[in-house]
Amino acid sequence: KQEVTQIPAALSVPEGENLVLNCSFTDSAIYNLQWFRQDPGKGLTSLLLIQSSQREQTSGRLNASLDKSSGRSTLYIAASQPGDSATYLCAVTPRGAGSYQLTFGKGTKLSVIP
Amino acid sequence: GAGVSQSPRYKVAKRGQDVALRCDPISGHVSLFWYQQALGQGPEFLTYFQNEAQLDKSGLPSDRFFAERPEGSVSTLKIQRTQQEDSAVYLCASSLVEASYSNQPQHFGDGTRLSIL
Repeated sequence: KQEVTQIPAALSVPEGENLVLNCSFTDSAIYNLQWFRQDPGKGLTSLLLIQSSQREQTSGRLNASLDKSSGRSTLYIAASQPGDSATYLCAVTPRGAGSYQLTFGKGTKLSVIP
Repeated sequence: GAGVSQSPRYKVAKRGQDVALRCDPISGHVSLFWYQQALGQGPEFLTYFQNEAQLDKSGLPSDRFFAERPEGSVSTLKIQRTQQEDSAVYLCASSLVEASYSNQPQHFGDGTRLSIL
């Protein structure tokens, strides 16, 4: 069964710092990997989706990388802002049947201090 | 707005009662998903619809859970004889096309927070 782990569980940084969030998964047979943001009491917002054949995706100050063979992904946030404070969730979908089923980690709660 | 809408936002029920949770997906979206998110955990997949067809219900935790999407748009998740372990946030998501082997993202609603007393 696929397991997704996110480290650290919580992170606090001063405004302006660059930071990296980590995600690991146990089964490398994935279809894609997604990073989501969740604000308190809200649903999930998709940030980046990396197909299994890709190595990275970029959107604005966000860059996500994927190393499928080692079962790792990182989300890099440049020049962090207080508005980036949220919980960041990593999720993978399996290759093959059920390729739409997202398996999530527990998330990293990020606090950016002004 | 144009996003996924869920109602009610909060639901409190006594143990043993039946509840119904509603999801209005983004207009025209073919695929619809339900997830359950326990406190401090990531969401867990419950079920998947392609239009009105429920193609995957492998994540439903028991036969007390039932979902439908009769006209291929609005969906309802029903929980019968609720128990305390059913307390969670129930999230609905939709995506534009048929979901298998698709790299279209899933768009999530804000969820319904269900508390069973």
